[in-house]
Amino acid sequence: EPEVTQTPSHQVTQMGQEVILRCVPISNHLYFYWYRQILGQKVEFLVSFYNNEISEKSEIFDDQFSVERPDGSNFTLKIRSTKLEDSAMYFCASSEERTAQETQYFGPGTRLLVL
Amino acid sequence: QKEVEQNSGPLSVPEGAIASLNCTYSDRVSQSFFWYRQYSGKSPELIMSIYSNGDKEDGRFTAQLNKASQYVSLLIRDSQPSDSATYLCAVGSGYSSASKIIFGSGTRLSIRP
Repeated sequence: EPEVTQTPSHQVTQMGQEVILRCVPISNHLYFYWYRQILGQKVEFLVSFYNNEISEKSEIFDDQFSVERPDGSNFTLKIRSTKLEDSAMYFCASSEERTAQETQYFGPGTRLLVL
Repeated sequence: QKEVEQNSGPLSVPEGAIASLNCTYSDRVSQSFFWYRQYSGKSPELIMSIYSNGDKEDGRFTAQLNKASQYVSLLIRDSQPSDSATYLCAVGSGYSSASKIIFGSGTRLSIRP
């Protein structure tokens, strides 16, 4: 069964460093998302992406964050200068159609720890 | 601020019994509703989706939606120890172009043998 994959599974970085989290969405999906979950808290929407541009972003997704689809398979989230509060699980998701009724499938996540 | 509310639990249910999980949402125009299961340290795994008022059954799971009351529920029949997890209610905005999902904080379910 097709699935969303994410690398790395764990990332430890120093505050102020740049990190890039990578995702390979399900192959026939067209819509891509990043969510994050701080330990013990809700899953929070960060950004959605379609046709090589951002569709919507949350207040969390400030200038330190960017997303890119560098090739036909990868979808990346870059954090330019990490802060301690960026420590969280980051989930990539994808869906086949951008309709209200389309299910989003989640990857296994990248656990980011900022020291 | 659009909200999805769930009782955090823990909800303890004996093995073989029915577990009932509830959720309310604030955005009246929401169109899509999901139940995800999340094991500790893992990603959300889709259990059920529901879009119309009424019941939807899939194996041991039944989702119920009442848009007038802005209420979604999940019933798990013949509960198994492997059902012990956090269950996330999630709501799709439905009218924006982004189709983002808003999650509740989850209900921890514990099935006792």
